[in-house]
Amino acid sequence: EAGVTQFPSHSVIEKGQTVTLRCDPISGHDNLYWYRRVMGKEIKFLLHFVKESKQDESGMPNNRFLAERTGGTYSTLKVQPAELEDSGVYFCASSQDFGASRRGVTQYFGPGTRLLVL
Amino acid sequence: AQTVTQSQPEMSVQEAETVTLSCTYDTSENNYYLFWYKQPPSRQMILVIRQEAYKQQNATENRFSVNFQKAAKSFSLKISDSQLGDTAMYFCAFMNRDDKIIFGKGTRLHILP
Repeated sequence: EAGVTQFPSHSVIEKGQTVTLRCDPISGHDNLYWYRRVMGKEIKFLLHFVKESKQDESGMPNNRFLAERTGGTYSTLKVQPAELEDSGVYFCASSQDFGASRRGVTQYFGPGTRLLVL
Repeated sequence: AQTVTQSQPEMSVQEAETVTLSCTYDTSENNYYLFWYKQPPSRQMILVIRQEAYKQQNATENRFSVNFQKAAKSFSLKISDSQLGDTAMYFCAFMNRDDKIIFGKGTRLHILP
């Protein structure tokens, strides 16, 4: 079974440009999460999709970040315009959905996209 | 605020030795989940072990085991008979009631031949 995949693996852009990151979750996983690790800091939650709906986007840093999950399959995270502080590793994770009756379901992570804004 | 602290930024041990990675966390929740994730160099982050807070028994997965002390909010990872393939960044993580994962800063572990 294929794991979570992310594209691209690396991206180097200039400040002010736009970058779009893609995540393909494990097939059948309704939950999709985005996390980010800025250099030297903890991995932090950005947002959570259940199918195509945003369940929680409390971790999104500002309105320069836009996440979508049309059709409830893959997701994209667009940064427009990119700033220097957006540099870091962006992780995607997915998990099965068992509803409110079961919590603590394991999240499976992708390899991350390393973004460098110059 | 919920936090996870890993006090060892980097560690090195000889192959076949046992190593313990420390982790403490802070939460006011009573029912939660704890994880150790491993990220080998240039590779995917994978789950090593998980612990449910309401279970007193410490989780084990082959050479990996945890020492879960709920009252002390401590969740250390022990790797027995360490192997070269255990070289990785290890993240301690806490899952809250909203299923968000809160991570520590990580411990970079080097297994030396």
